[in-house]
Formats: sequence, C-alpha cells, structure tokens
Amino acid sequence: SQKIEQNSEALNIQEGKTATLTCNYTNYSPAYLQWYRQDPGRGPVFLLLIRENEKEKRKERLKVTFDTTLKQSLFHITASQPADSATYLCALERLRSSASKIIFGSGTRLSIRP
Amino acid sequence: DTAVSQTPKYLVTQMGNDKSIKCEQNLGHDTMYWYKQDSKKFLKIMFSYNNKELIINETVPNRFSPKSPDKAHLNLHINSLELGDSAVYFCASSQRISGGRSYNEQFFGPGTRLTVL
Repeated sequence: SQKIEQNSEALNIQEGKTATLTCNYTNYSPAYLQWYRQDPGRGPVFLLLIRENEKEKRKERLKVTFDTTLKQSLFHITASQPADSATYLCALERLRSSASKIIFGSGTRLSIRP
Repeated sequence: DTAVSQTPKYLVTQMGNDKSIKCEQNLGHDTMYWYKQDSKKFLKIMFSYNNKELIINETVPNRFSPKSPDKAHLNLHINSLELGDSAVYFCASSQRISGGRSYNEQFFGPGTRLTVL
C-alpha cells in the first residue's frame, strides 16, 4: 500500500532563512501532490498542488518541487517569518476516479524563531 | 461566511454513549468527507460521499455510520463510544470535477474534538 513519509517531525529555523520540508512516498506515483498548512486547533488549509507532469510550482514565497524518479516532493518557504510557524502536511492521490482517496502524511511542525 | 462548518466543536461523553457530529458546506461542492486525526496528528480518511452516494468506506468499525441527507450535508453518527474513539474529527468537501479536471483540493471544517471518558 502507498505510504507517505514526512521525514522531519519538527523543524526549527531562524527567521529570514529558507525552510525546506520533505515528503517521500513509496510505490505508485500519484496523479498529483498537495501541501496543506494546519494551525493548532484548526483544520488544514490548502496551499499548493503540483501535478505529476510538473517539476515545480510557485506561489508568492512558497515553492513546491516534484521528482517522480526520487518519489519526493520538496516544499520551500523563502524569507521565513514567525507567522509561517505551523504544521505542514503533504497529501497525494493516485487515481482520477471518484473512488480514489487522498492520503496524508503525518506532517512536519515548523517553528520559525525571531 | 463559513465554507465548511461542523457542530459541535467539542464533545465530551461517557463510554458507551451514542453521539452525532454534523457538517455542512456552502461551497456547492459535490463530494464530502470525514477524516479522523489522532493524537499523533495523523489524518486518515474514514468516509467519502459524492452527490449523496457513499464512494469511500475505509476500515472503520460499523459503530460509525455516515449519513448524507443532501449534497451540502454529511453527518457522522457513532454508537457505543469507546475510549479509542477520542480524536479530532474533520469534515471536508471538494469539487472532484472542475472544468473537466479533478484536483480534489480539500476544504476542511474547524474540527470536532471528541473526548470519551
């Protein structure tokens, strides 16, 4: 069965630096991969989606890469700010049928210190 | 206006009781979901409904029964609550097909923290 690993449970970096979070998956390649942000006591919020035929996607200070050979996605936050502190989840879905499901990783808790 | 809403936000109850959680979305989406997030923050899908039809039913005890009276509502009823049911339950919705493509971006509700004593 498909597994997702976000290899850092927690990441602590200095404000202004670039935060890089990793998401690795096993077995089949997903049709697309998504990244979500979750703050304490709240539901996840969608950030970015990257499709299997895309290498890179950007949105403001966020950048996502997708390497289907390495079976890995990297999520970057440039010029990080304390307000970026949250848990970040990657999620993937394989099939395009209505019966397919999204599988979430366990998340990386990111802390940006001033 | 809240896109995906859940009630109640907190639910504390005794083992063996029956409880329900309600979910409503006003986004016009065709698919709704229930997820369970355990103490280790692992988010796992339980059920999915597409246009009121059950399409995903994960390995969940049959004490859990979803009900979708219409496209905008998906409720979760839990019978004979057990200690291990304590978790945060999230409702979500998505538009599976948009412009001929399926991206399945999930819109989550605020969650219901269930504590079974």
